[in-house]
Amino acid sequence: EAQVTQNPRYLITVTGKKLTVTCSQNMNHEYMSWYRQDPGLGLRQIYYSMNVEVTDKGDVPEGYKVSRKEKRNFPLILESPSPNQTSLYFCASSLTGTATGELFFGEGSRLTVL
Amino acid sequence: KQEVTQIPAALSVPEGENLVLNCSFTDSAIYNLQWFRQDPGKGLTSLLLIQSSQREQTSGRLNASLDKSSGRSTLYIAASQPGDSATYLCAVVISNFGNEKLTFGTGTRLTIIP
Repeated sequence: EAQVTQNPRYLITVTGKKLTVTCSQNMNHEYMSWYRQDPGLGLRQIYYSMNVEVTDKGDVPEGYKVSRKEKRNFPLILESPSPNQTSLYFCASSLTGTATGELFFGEGSRLTVL
Repeated sequence: KQEVTQIPAALSVPEGENLVLNCSFTDSAIYNLQWFRQDPGKGLTSLLLIQSSQREQTSGRLNASLDKSSGRSTLYIAASQPGDSATYLCAVVISNFGNEKLTFGTGTRLTIIP
């Protein structure tokens, strides 16, 4: 089944404790992206990747890191989480990029930073 | 900076009625516009993608239109059903110096009353 898989789905952590949210897609998509969704603010793009080893900042990249060493994986790294990073996070992928392709989303990862 | 607005934030209609959801954007230099639905606790599912050169797209009971010059799109749902209850989001893609940028609206929460 074609899908985008995120882990963990739910996580509670404390300020400053490094964490990684994994994202994997099985559709051989070139484009992958991370978003956070907050009430009243909608979905905002954190980082995106047009292909392996190519990443770019979105609207709200501060406090996050990403890497794209393999085509299928695009982990989101929070080196030193803070409470303002409490949010619902979504990973998405597209065959060729958002200019031409349909975007497929994972189920979301709800992160709480205490 | 591209801004995407969806009004109203919430809408309730009786089952069987036809309805229209609205999306407006400030920068008309877009590649495409996409409509998504989001069910509670779930990721986003792509419904329709309209390229900038197109005026409309149809899928089943759904029809999306695009008027770039006025910065507007509508999603028409015919013969609404309780299963259509969800939050509907629109998103536009622009290209900034070769980088694709996807901007979401904050969504319209639709409730179909049986």
